[in-house]
Amino acid sequence: GAVVSQHPSWVICKSGTSVKIECRSLDFQATTMFWYRQFPKQSLMLMATSNEGSKATYEQGVEKDKFLINHASLTLSTLTVTSAHPEDSSFYICSATVGVGYNEQFFGPGTRLTVL
Amino acid sequence: DQQVKQNSPSLSVQEGRISILNCDYTNSMFDYFLWYKKYPAEGPTFLISISSIKDKNEDGRFTVFLNKSAKHLSLHIVPSQPGDSAVYFCAAVVRSGSARQLTFGSGTQLTVLP
Repeated sequence: GAVVSQHPSWVICKSGTSVKIECRSLDFQATTMFWYRQFPKQSLMLMATSNEGSKATYEQGVEKDKFLINHASLTLSTLTVTSAHPEDSSFYICSATVGVGYNEQFFGPGTRLTVL
Repeated sequence: DQQVKQNSPSLSVQEGRISILNCDYTNSMFDYFLWYKKYPAEGPTFLISISSIKDKNEDGRFTVFLNKSAKHLSLHIVPSQPGDSAVYFCAAVVRSGSARQLTFGSGTQLTVLP
């Protein structure tokens, strides 16, 4: 099946620094990538949808200046948490899909971000 | 406003017995439903799905039932195995529309006791 990787899997940073998380589709070209955030014992909340070569579409309540998304190629999307604060600590998961319309999403393994 | 709800945060079942996980939704536009399994510190893994034109879909030990009138779906696992212990998320999407985003429930932690 299709494989999606994320890097790093775990990151600890100091408050005020920026952190970049990479999401890669390893064996397919992803037309669209999604970024989710999950708090402990809660649902996966969609943060944004990104299509290759265009600006990401952010969900209501998600600060686009804080969570910068770049989808530079069909196999790579990056999420940068700028000026991270402890409340940004969370589990970030990306997923990737292909084609037009709904198609199966393949999820990455997630990145645990801890901001001290 | 939670459009997809899983009201049971946890469920414990004896090995070999049936596990039934429930999910309710409010958006009648949803036309495709999925179940995902998730282990800690890992991404969700797709399990099984069902289209709104069906009321049942079966794949091995996993069966999903959809009751459109009640806006309710359930996942049956039989027989349950200790390796099934994980968090199960139901998700829904309006596949016929331009939106492609999945809406997830809050998950149910299934524990299968040996």
